[in-house]
Amino acid sequence: NAGVTQTPKFRVLKTGQSMTLLCAQDMNHEYMYWYRQDPGMGLRLIHYSVGEGTTAKGEVPDGYNVSRLKKQNFLLGLESAAPSQTSVYFCASSYGGRLNTEAFFGQGTRLTVV
Amino acid sequence: GESVGLHLPTLSVQEGDNSIINCAYSNSASDYFIWYKQESGKGPQFIIDIRSNMDKRQGQRVTVLLNKTVKHLSLQIAATQPGDSAVYFCAEIPMEYGNKLVFGAGTILRVKS
Repeated sequence: NAGVTQTPKFRVLKTGQSMTLLCAQDMNHEYMYWYRQDPGMGLRLIHYSVGEGTTAKGEVPDGYNVSRLKKQNFLLGLESAAPSQTSVYFCASSYGGRLNTEAFFGQGTRLTVV
Repeated sequence: GESVGLHLPTLSVQEGDNSIINCAYSNSASDYFIWYKQESGKGPQFIIDIRSNMDKRQGQRVTVLLNKTVKHLSLQIAATQPGDSAVYFCAEIPMEYGNKLVFGAGTILRVKS
């Protein structure tokens, strides 16, 4: 049981390049989330999904796109990377619903845009 | 907009002492509050949660207290150990925002041996 796995763990991009971050969970969770974490700040929600085929915007969605084609995977895309997107990205998943608040996080992806 | 903030950015305690980490929240409509622990280089890990209809909940060596009157949340760690050193985040789920967790900035807990 691997839990939540993020790939890659580290990446350096040039401004304007694109990339996709992959999140995979093996817990059959309905809900999945993408957060970014910047120094001295808490986690901010980028996008989330409440089930296969559905996505919704979080607090800071601009510059990112997501897809949930399979229940176990949640992809985060950067179409044209900007230095402001330098951050640590965390994926999380949960059973979902307001009755179960425990979210399981991945190890994070450290992205640097130069 | 709603916000969750912390009173103290860094807390240093002696090993064996009790730790109290505080959190203030602004959205009175939030009905779930959660504490997460994040160790260096790792993702946040769930510690304990509490519903708004409760004022206290205990776990293993941890207790969360909720004071809705003053919109204050605290995490108490008994007999703090070096392994407790981490950043602690409080988070809330505002009722009108579904399951979106709103995180605070975090408190660094340093345990001195």
